Amino acid sequence: GNSVTQMEGPVTLSEEAFLTINCTYTATGYPSLFWYVQYPGEGLQLLLKATKADDKGSNKGFEATYRKETTSFHLEKGSVQVSDSAVYFCALSGAYSGAGSYQLTFGKGTKLSVIP
Amino acid sequence: NAGVMQNPRHLVRRRGQEARLRCSPMKGHSHVYWYRQLPEEGLKFMVYLQKENIIDESGMPKERFSAEFPKEGPSILRIQQVVRGDSAAYFCASSPPGTGKPTDTQYFGPGTRLTVL
Repeated sequence: GNSVTQMEGPVTLSEEAFLTINCTYTATGYPSLFWYVQYPGEGLQLLLKATKADDKGSNKGFEATYRKETTSFHLEKGSVQVSDSAVYFCALSGAYSGAGSYQLTFGKGTKLSVIP
Repeated sequence: NAGVMQNPRHLVRRRGQEARLRCSPMKGHSHVYWYRQLPEEGLKFMVYLQKENIIDESGMPKERFSAEFPKEGPSILRIQQVVRGDSAAYFCASSPPGTGKPTDTQYFGPGTRLTVL
């Protein structure tokens, strides 16, 4: 079946440090890939997405590139801020056509804490 | 444009009681999805509904759980005779009509945190 594996947290960084959160997936077909962010006590917000191989999603300084050859979608940001402290979820959908292709399959999440 | 609304935000029930969770999708959206997040886990798909139709309930537990999305009003996730293992955060998401494609973005609500005593 489909699965998403994220690097385990928590991750603690100093402000302005470089961030990488690794995400790899297992799926049949050609899934769409997403990063969602969950701030404390809130729901998930879409951060970025990519729908085909070699696409790069970007938003708010975050980037991720859909790498089909390595089945990866790593999240990066060049300079993190305290306000980026949250839980980040990698997810996929559409790994196969037909029924159920819209289901999002999530990783377990990576908690990021950024300290001043 | 209001986002996805869920209520209540927090719900406490004793074992054996019923829990009703409500979700109003974004304006203009007609696809609703329910997910459950257990502590320290990612979200798990439960059910996908369109107005008056359950499209896919493959992620729903076979007993005690049901969902509906009537022609008028919010989508309801109903849990009968709750047990401690039902304690979790339940998230609703919506997407626009005429889609249901895997490339679509699903927009999430703030969640209902259910605690079963």
